Amino acid sequence: ETGVTQSPTHLIKTRGQQVTLRCSSQSGHNTVSWYQQALGQGPQFIFQYYREEENGRGNFPPRFSGLQFPNYSSELNVNALELDDSALYLCASSTQLRGNTEAFFGQGTRLTVV
Amino acid sequence: DAKTTQPPSMDCAEGRAANLPCNHSTISGNEYVYWYRQIHSQGPQYIIHGLKNNETNEMASLIITEDRKSSTLILPHATLRDTAVYYCIVRAREGTGTASKLTFGTGTRLQVTL
Repeated sequence: ETGVTQSPTHLIKTRGQQVTLRCSSQSGHNTVSWYQQALGQGPQFIFQYYREEENGRGNFPPRFSGLQFPNYSSELNVNALELDDSALYLCASSTQLRGNTEAFFGQGTRLTVV
Repeated sequence: DAKTTQPPSMDCAEGRAANLPCNHSTISGNEYVYWYRQIHSQGPQYIIHGLKNNETNEMASLIITEDRKSSTLILPHATLRDTAVYYCIVRAREGTGTASKLTFGTGTRLQVTL
């Protein structure tokens, strides 16, 4: 148990729809990162939020967006879903109070786009 | 972040030490070596990290060569529950407020057998 919870655990959406995934970070952590993991691949960094601001972004289009709330929980929004968006979406929380800390991952949300 | 190279798969007998190698020949002076593992369909789990000295915790030991171009993760007494994909990642030390993304490769699939 890492203290990082994600919801929902599984989701099926239709191409073109929009989806919102949620993440509650570990207590005391002020930074949330989102990753996409396609089948058979390692997780790929989408973006990171620190103190409610986007703080770094990977090679993902603008239809991937996010929010971080004052309690440090976070949402990942994906618009205009494509079949290739089918993946495991992982949230990781960490703290920026000091450098070089480990990230703790949630169990992920399995998104299937049909 | 520096690129890492890992063997795609390894086998280990239960009770034996599992030694997982990683090459990171382009690592720079401010980059740490991190190891995570991912058990099937779960989020990645932090194992250990180090800069240049060998490190040990309750899960594993990390041996980093003197030139820091390679490292080995050692699970001293592997069990069936250690069957997972192991990721070696190098990441720069981050200061407050900067993105601390993890760049995952495809990792090593460790199969522990009876």
